[in-house]
Amino acid sequence: QSALTQPPSASGSPGQSVTISCTGTSSDVGGYNYVSWYQQYPGKAPKLMLYEVAKRPSGVPDRFSGSKSGNTASLTVSGLQTEDESVYYCSSYADPGRVIFGGGTTLTVL
Amino acid sequence: QVQLQESGPGLVKPSETLSLTCAVSGYSLSSDYYWGWIRQPPGRGLEWIANIYHSGKTDYNPSLKSRATISVDTSKNQFSLSLTSVTAADTAMYYCARWADLPGVRRVFDYWGQGTLVAVSS
Repeated sequence: QSALTQPPSASGSPGQSVTISCTGTSSDVGGYNYVSWYQQYPGKAPKLMLYEVAKRPSGVPDRFSGSKSGNTASLTVSGLQTEDESVYYCSSYADPGRVIFGGGTTLTVL
Repeated sequence: QVQLQESGPGLVKPSETLSLTCAVSGYSLSSDYYWGWIRQPPGRGLEWIANIYHSGKTDYNPSLKSRATISVDTSKNQFSLSLTSVTAADTAMYYCARWADLPGVRRVFDYWGQGTLVAVSS
Protein backbone atom coordinates (compact mmCIF):
# COMPACT_ATOMS: atom_id res chain seq x y z
CA GLN A 1 0.00 0.00 0.00
CA SER A 2 1.36 3.44 -0.91
CA ALA A 3 1.90 6.11 1.72
CA LEU A 4 -0.24 9.21 1.70
CA THR A 5 1.54 12.22 0.21
CA GLN A 6 2.56 15.07 2.49
CA PRO A 7 4.95 17.95 1.81
CA PRO A 8 8.28 17.28 3.54
CA SER A 9 8.31 20.67 5.20
CA ALA A 10 6.18 23.67 6.12
CA SER A 11 6.95 26.84 8.01
CA GLY A 12 5.45 29.97 9.44
CA SER A 13 6.16 32.76 11.86
CA PRO A 14 4.67 32.93 15.35
CA GLY A 15 1.06 34.03 15.19
CA GLN A 16 0.63 33.06 11.55
CA SER A 17 -1.34 30.16 10.15
CA VAL A 18 0.06 27.22 8.22
CA THR A 19 -1.72 24.42 6.37
CA ILE A 20 -0.32 20.95 5.73
CA SER A 21 -1.86 18.80 3.02
CA CYS A 22 -2.29 15.04 2.87
CA THR A 23 -3.18 13.50 -0.48
CA GLY A 24 -4.42 9.99 -1.00
CA THR A 25 -6.86 8.26 -3.30
CA SER A 26 -10.55 7.51 -3.50
CA SER A 27 -9.78 4.23 -1.72
CA ASP A 28 -8.55 5.92 1.42
CA VAL A 29 -8.72 9.68 2.10
CA GLY A 30 -11.39 10.30 -0.51
CA GLY A 31 -13.48 7.30 0.43
CA TYR A 32 -13.78 7.75 4.19
CA ASN A 33 -13.99 10.53 6.76
CA TYR A 34 -11.47 8.64 8.87
CA VAL A 35 -8.44 10.89 8.49
CA SER A 36 -6.40 11.56 11.59
CA TRP A 37 -3.36 13.70 12.35
CA TYR A 38 -0.52 13.01 14.77
CA GLN A 39 2.18 15.25 16.22
CA GLN A 40 5.57 13.77 16.97
CA TYR A 41 8.46 15.41 18.81
CA PRO A 42 11.96 13.94 18.38
CA GLY A 43 12.38 10.78 20.42
CA LYS A 44 8.73 10.73 21.46
CA ALA A 45 5.68 8.71 20.51
CA PRO A 46 3.13 10.26 18.16
CA LYS A 47 0.28 12.16 19.81
CA LEU A 48 -3.22 12.27 18.36
CA MET A 49 -4.22 15.81 17.33
CA LEU A 50 -7.27 15.32 15.10
CA TYR A 51 -9.50 12.40 14.14
CA GLU A 52 -12.42 11.87 11.77
CA VAL A 53 -10.99 14.74 9.69
CA ALA A 54 -11.76 17.58 12.07
CA LYS A 55 -12.51 16.34 15.59
CA ARG A 56 -10.14 17.30 18.40
CA PRO A 57 -9.39 15.04 21.37
CA SER A 58 -9.72 16.58 24.78
CA GLY A 59 -6.75 18.82 25.53
CA VAL A 60 -5.81 19.68 21.95
CA PRO A 61 -5.97 23.46 21.40
CA ASP A 62 -8.61 24.75 18.99
CA ARG A 63 -5.76 26.33 17.03
CA PHE A 64 -5.56 22.94 15.32
CA SER A 65 -8.25 22.31 12.74
CA GLY A 66 -8.84 19.89 9.90
CA SER A 67 -10.72 19.66 6.65
CA LYS A 68 -11.03 17.45 3.60
CA SER A 69 -11.83 17.96 -0.05
CA GLY A 70 -11.88 15.03 -2.41
CA ASN A 71 -8.75 12.95 -1.96
CA THR A 72 -6.87 15.63 0.02
CA ALA A 73 -7.10 16.32 3.73
CA SER A 74 -5.56 19.33 5.43
CA LEU A 75 -4.32 20.28 8.87
CA THR A 76 -4.30 23.98 9.70
CA VAL A 77 -2.45 25.38 12.67
CA SER A 78 -3.54 28.91 13.48
CA GLY A 79 -1.76 31.36 15.75
CA LEU A 80 1.50 29.42 15.45
CA GLN A 81 3.45 28.96 18.64
CA THR A 82 7.03 27.80 19.08
CA GLU A 83 5.86 24.57 20.71
CA ASP A 84 4.02 23.66 17.48
CA GLU A 85 7.39 22.97 15.85
CA SER A 86 7.26 19.23 15.30
CA VAL A 87 6.64 16.55 12.70
CA TYR A 88 3.03 15.95 11.68
CA TYR A 89 1.72 12.73 10.18
CA CYS A 90 -1.64 12.16 8.57
CA SER A 91 -3.31 8.78 8.52
CA SER A 92 -6.35 7.30 6.82
CA TYR A 93 -8.42 4.19 7.08
CA ALA A 94 -8.58 2.17 3.87
CA ASP A 95 -10.90 -0.74 3.30
CA PRO A 96 -10.63 -3.54 4.18
CA GLY A 97 -9.27 -2.87 7.63
CA ARG A 98 -6.04 -1.16 6.56
CA VAL A 99 -4.35 1.93 7.96
CA ILE A 100 -2.12 4.16 5.85
CA PHE A 101 0.19 6.92 7.08
CA GLY A 102 1.65 9.89 5.27
CA GLY A 103 5.38 10.44 5.02
CA GLY A 104 5.34 13.25 7.57
CA THR A 105 5.75 17.02 7.42
CA THR A 106 8.30 18.90 9.49
CA LEU A 107 6.74 22.13 10.71
CA THR A 108 9.21 24.90 11.49
CA VAL A 109 8.21 27.98 13.41
CA LEU A 110 10.51 30.73 12.16
CA GLN B 1 -5.65 6.35 32.18
CA VAL B 2 -4.73 3.88 29.46
CA GLN B 3 -1.04 3.02 29.35
CA LEU B 4 0.82 0.78 26.92
CA GLN B 5 4.36 -0.52 27.37
CA GLU B 6 6.33 -2.35 24.73
CA SER B 7 8.98 -4.91 25.58
CA GLY B 8 11.30 -7.17 23.66
CA PRO B 9 14.91 -7.72 22.62
CA GLY B 10 16.69 -4.67 21.32
CA LEU B 11 18.82 -6.70 18.91
CA VAL B 12 17.77 -9.48 16.55
CA LYS B 13 19.95 -11.35 14.06
CA PRO B 14 19.09 -11.37 10.36
CA SER B 15 16.77 -14.22 9.29
CA GLU B 16 15.56 -14.71 12.86
CA THR B 17 12.17 -13.86 14.37
CA LEU B 18 11.42 -10.58 16.11
CA SER B 19 9.02 -10.94 19.04
CA LEU B 20 7.50 -8.03 20.94
CA THR B 21 4.90 -7.71 23.68
CA CYS B 22 2.69 -4.79 24.65
CA ALA B 23 1.41 -4.72 28.23
CA VAL B 24 -1.74 -2.66 28.70
CA SER B 25 -2.81 -1.09 31.98
CA GLY B 26 -5.83 1.01 32.83
CA TYR B 27 -8.06 -0.78 30.32
CA SER B 28 -9.16 -4.33 29.68
CA LEU B 29 -8.20 -5.87 26.34
CA SER B 30 -11.48 -7.77 26.53
CA SER B 31 -13.43 -4.56 25.94
CA ASP B 32 -14.44 -2.93 22.68
CA TYR B 33 -11.21 -1.74 21.13
CA TYR B 34 -8.68 -3.04 18.67
CA TRP B 35 -4.98 -3.03 19.47
CA GLY B 36 -2.20 -2.49 16.97
CA TRP B 37 1.46 -2.26 16.08
CA ILE B 38 3.14 0.54 14.13
CA ARG B 39 6.83 0.91 13.33
CA GLN B 40 9.14 3.75 12.38
CA PRO B 41 12.58 3.19 10.85
CA PRO B 42 15.21 5.66 12.05
CA GLY B 43 14.65 9.08 10.50
CA ARG B 44 11.64 7.91 8.53
CA GLY B 45 7.85 7.84 8.69
CA LEU B 46 5.28 5.62 10.36
CA GLU B 47 4.20 2.27 8.95
CA TRP B 48 1.18 0.37 10.21
CA ILE B 49 1.79 -3.34 10.75
CA ALA B 50 -1.36 -4.97 12.13
CA ASN B 51 -4.44 -4.67 14.36
CA ILE B 52 -6.22 -7.25 16.51
CA TYR B 53 -9.57 -7.37 18.31
CA HIS B 54 -10.01 -9.24 21.59
CA SER B 55 -11.99 -11.88 19.71
CA GLY B 56 -8.88 -12.59 17.66
CA LYS B 57 -10.02 -10.86 14.48
CA THR B 58 -6.96 -9.45 12.74
CA ASP B 59 -6.03 -7.01 9.99
CA TYR B 60 -2.58 -6.82 8.44
CA ASN B 61 -0.57 -4.50 6.22
CA PRO B 62 -0.51 -6.47 2.96
CA SER B 63 3.23 -5.79 2.56
CA LEU B 64 4.01 -7.50 5.88
CA LYS B 65 1.20 -10.04 6.11
CA SER B 66 3.34 -13.00 5.04
CA ARG B 67 5.83 -12.40 7.88
CA ALA B 68 3.79 -10.81 10.69
CA THR B 69 1.57 -12.41 13.31
CA ILE B 70 -0.34 -10.42 15.91
CA SER B 71 -1.90 -12.16 18.88
CA VAL B 72 -3.71 -11.25 22.09
CA ASP B 73 -3.66 -12.72 25.60
CA THR B 74 -6.61 -11.28 27.49
CA SER B 75 -5.68 -13.18 30.66
CA LYS B 76 -2.42 -11.22 30.85
CA ASN B 77 -3.93 -8.07 29.32
CA GLN B 78 -1.25 -7.95 26.67
CA PHE B 79 -0.83 -8.45 22.96
CA SER B 80 2.15 -9.44 20.87
CA LEU B 81 3.81 -9.16 17.49
CA SER B 82 5.96 -11.72 15.76
CA LEU B 83 7.88 -10.86 12.59
CA THR B 84 9.76 -13.65 10.85
CA SER B 85 12.81 -13.64 8.57
CA VAL B 86 13.92 -10.17 9.59
CA THR B 87 16.45 -8.12 7.66
CA ALA B 88 18.16 -4.79 8.28
CA ALA B 89 15.10 -3.13 6.73
CA ASP B 90 13.11 -4.19 9.79
CA THR B 91 15.27 -2.05 12.06
CA ALA B 92 12.86 0.43 13.59
CA MET B 93 11.16 1.85 16.63
CA TYR B 94 8.12 -0.36 17.23
CA TYR B 95 5.05 1.20 18.84
CA CYS B 96 1.96 -0.47 20.19
CA ALA B 97 -1.28 1.52 20.27
CA ARG B 98 -5.01 1.33 20.89
CA TRP B 99 -7.21 1.49 17.76
CA ALA B 100 -10.56 3.11 18.49
CA ASP B 101 -13.53 2.15 16.32
CA LEU B 102 -16.61 3.12 18.30
CA PRO B 103 -19.44 5.58 17.69
CA GLY B 104 -17.99 9.03 18.19
CA VAL B 105 -14.35 7.95 17.86
CA ARG B 106 -13.84 6.03 14.69
CA ARG B 107 -10.76 4.38 13.28
CA VAL B 108 -7.90 6.17 15.00
CA PHE B 109 -4.93 5.26 17.20
CA ASP B 110 -5.79 7.21 20.35
CA TYR B 111 -3.26 5.88 22.88
CA TRP B 112 0.35 4.95 22.10
CA GLY B 113 3.17 3.28 23.96
CA GLN B 114 6.58 4.95 24.18
CA GLY B 115 8.07 2.55 21.67
CA THR B 116 10.89 0.03 21.72
CA LEU B 117 13.86 0.19 19.37
CA VAL B 118 14.76 -3.02 17.58
CA ALA B 119 17.94 -3.33 15.57
CA VAL B 120 18.52 -6.17 13.13
CA SER B 121 22.20 -6.94 12.92
CA SER B 122 24.59 -9.85 13.13
